[in-house]
Amino acid sequence: GAGVSQSPSNKVTEKGKDVELRCDPISGHTALYWYRQSLGQGLEFLIYFQGNSAPDKSGLPSDRFSAERTGGSVSTLTIQRTQQEDSAVYLCASSLTGRSGNTIYFGEGSWLTVV
Amino acid sequence: SQELEQSPQSLIVQEGKNLTINCTSSKTLYGLYWYKQKYGEGLIFLMMLQKGGEEKSHEKITAKLDEKKQQSSLHITASQPSHAGIYLCGADSSGTSYGKLTFGQGTILTVHP
Repeated sequence: GAGVSQSPSNKVTEKGKDVELRCDPISGHTALYWYRQSLGQGLEFLIYFQGNSAPDKSGLPSDRFSAERTGGSVSTLTIQRTQQEDSAVYLCASSLTGRSGNTIYFGEGSWLTVV
Repeated sequence: SQELEQSPQSLIVQEGKNLTINCTSSKTLYGLYWYKQKYGEGLIFLMMLQKGGEEKSHEKITAKLDEKKQQSSLHITASQPSHAGIYLCGADSSGTSYGKLTFGQGTILTVHP
């Protein structure tokens, strides 16, 4: 597609439920990133994919968070047993390659509210 | 760990005025990105700087990278209401071979017509 596409754009879920957030990167981009933006913490790196593998998962806050990428394209971020502190905007980004210096393009984000 | 400090945290200007936003790093900068964000929207890529002394311009926005000072500045000339938003600097500071960015806290820009 023309840009990074994310869905859903908004999600309200009850505490304890699982949620899945989807990211469709720019066509041909091999690198994909997930970030989280919250009021108290700003914009934080979560995970980096190169192709279908994730060489850097260092930003995932707990084992309730997981992500996968299939076909070198679409990625899904899953949060299990959601907590109120998971409420944030989850932003996906992609770049042509994983090399430093490539332009990194962000999607519109998925707003998650846990009630 | 890498930290980026943006200043000012917020800025209110009259349309037509020039302004500058600074981004200072606690560590060596390997690459510096500037993004703009409108409330409720994603990040819009503005510019990327990689080399010390590098300067890039797009329309009325100019960004510079001072590698020695570990600092970048974003300058807007003759500001317009369309420039309003949150400006974020992001640094590829870890020296990794991929774009893992650390971001500043953002500068909120308001432009009054």
